Amino acid sequence: GAVVSQHPSRVICKSGTSVKIECRSLDFQATTMFWYRQFPKQSLMLMATSNEGSKATYEQGVEKDKFLINHASLTLSTLTVTSAHPEDSSFYICSARFGGRLAGGETQYFGPGTRLLVL
Amino acid sequence: KNQVEQSPQSLIILEGKNCTLQCNYTVSPFSNLRWYKQDTGRGPVSLTIMTFSENTKSNGRYTATLDADTKQSSLHITASQLSDSASYICVVSGASKIIFGSGTRLSIRP
Repeated sequence: GAVVSQHPSRVICKSGTSVKIECRSLDFQATTMFWYRQFPKQSLMLMATSNEGSKATYEQGVEKDKFLINHASLTLSTLTVTSAHPEDSSFYICSARFGGRLAGGETQYFGPGTRLLVL
Repeated sequence: KNQVEQSPQSLIILEGKNCTLQCNYTVSPFSNLRWYKQDTGRGPVSLTIMTFSENTKSNGRYTATLDADTKQSSLHITASQLSDSASYICVVSGASKIIFGSGTRLSIRP
């Protein structure tokens, strides 16, 4: 199946710093990538939808100035957590949509996730 | 309101036993339903994907069923193994919306 990578897999940073997480689709072009956040023992929560070459669409309650998303190419999307605080500590997962339109047979491939710990 | 509900929330079974996880949804219009397996600290991995016209799909010891009329799906795991311990997430797509279930946490005991 298709492969999606994330880097870094784990990051620890001080409160107030910014952290960038990369999401790459390794063997296909992804016009759309998604960013999720997952707290322990909870389900994935969609943060934003990232479309190549255009601004990301953020879910209600997600601050776009705090979670900056850039999708500059068909294989790379980045999520930058600006001025991180301890409450931003979470597991961040990206996914890439394979198959174009959201239709029968299309699926998402998830990255392995990035664990962020803000001290 | 578009919703995906999974049951049970958690399940513990002995190695070698079978189990069935449930997913009920109210997403409309409906495009497809996927079951994912998520190991702790990892990203979800797709197990099956089914569209409106598909009733059953198998992937090794995993068999998913879909009843589009009652809007129910199940994931049956046969002859469970310790490596099956994970969260299983039901995801329903429709009209550019993707709705995640809260997952079932499955633990396999030796």
